[in-house]
Amino acid sequence: DAGVIQSPRHEVTEMGQEVTLRCKPISGHNSLFWYRQTMMRGLELLIYFNNNVPIDDSGMPEDRFSAKMPNASFSTLKIQPSEPRDSAVYFCASSPQGLNSPLHFGNGTRLTVT
Amino acid sequence: DQQVKQNSPSLSVQEGRISILNCDYTNSMFDYFLWYKKYPAEGPTFLISISSIKDKNEDGRFTVFLNKSAKHLSLHIVPSQPGDSAVYFCAASADYKLSFGAGTTVTVRA
Repeated sequence: DAGVIQSPRHEVTEMGQEVTLRCKPISGHNSLFWYRQTMMRGLELLIYFNNNVPIDDSGMPEDRFSAKMPNASFSTLKIQPSEPRDSAVYFCASSPQGLNSPLHFGNGTRLTVT
Repeated sequence: DQQVKQNSPSLSVQEGRISILNCDYTNSMFDYFLWYKKYPAEGPTFLISISSIKDKNEDGRFTVFLNKSAKHLSLHIVPSQPGDSAVYFCAASADYKLSFGAGTTVTVRA
């Protein structure tokens, strides 16, 4: 079991650039979550997919953020254009089922927008 | 609007003693509660959970207590070990949505 794999581990980009974060969930898990961690807001849910379908994107900050899950083994979170306030650690997590099942987190992508 | 609160940002405890971490919540719809542990540069890892129909769950050195009437849960670690030094997050779930507390940094002193 390789766990949830996120790439890249670190991303430094300039304001205005497009950023794409990637996630490979654990095989067999049908729920996938993107979280963002900041000092001010802690861990906050951005979007939740179930069986590759976005179920709840109410946590996505604004239209600059978009997420896709084209298949059961891959998801992306895109920010276009990026801004300095997007600097945070972005975590992807998966679980076998959405309800009352512990999430398995990846090691995160630390994004710095200058 | 923080629905899950960990009011102690840090806790220092001597090796071998008990660590007690506290968490309060406001949403009465939460029906499942979890504790996660996080080391630097890693993602949170699941530690222990409890359903709202129970008031205690134990797993080795870790015990979680739930007081629904007070909307309060706690995590007891006994005995504390140096490897327990980490950030601990309390989380609560309603349906699929997990809400996290801000975390408590535990330092276990030798």
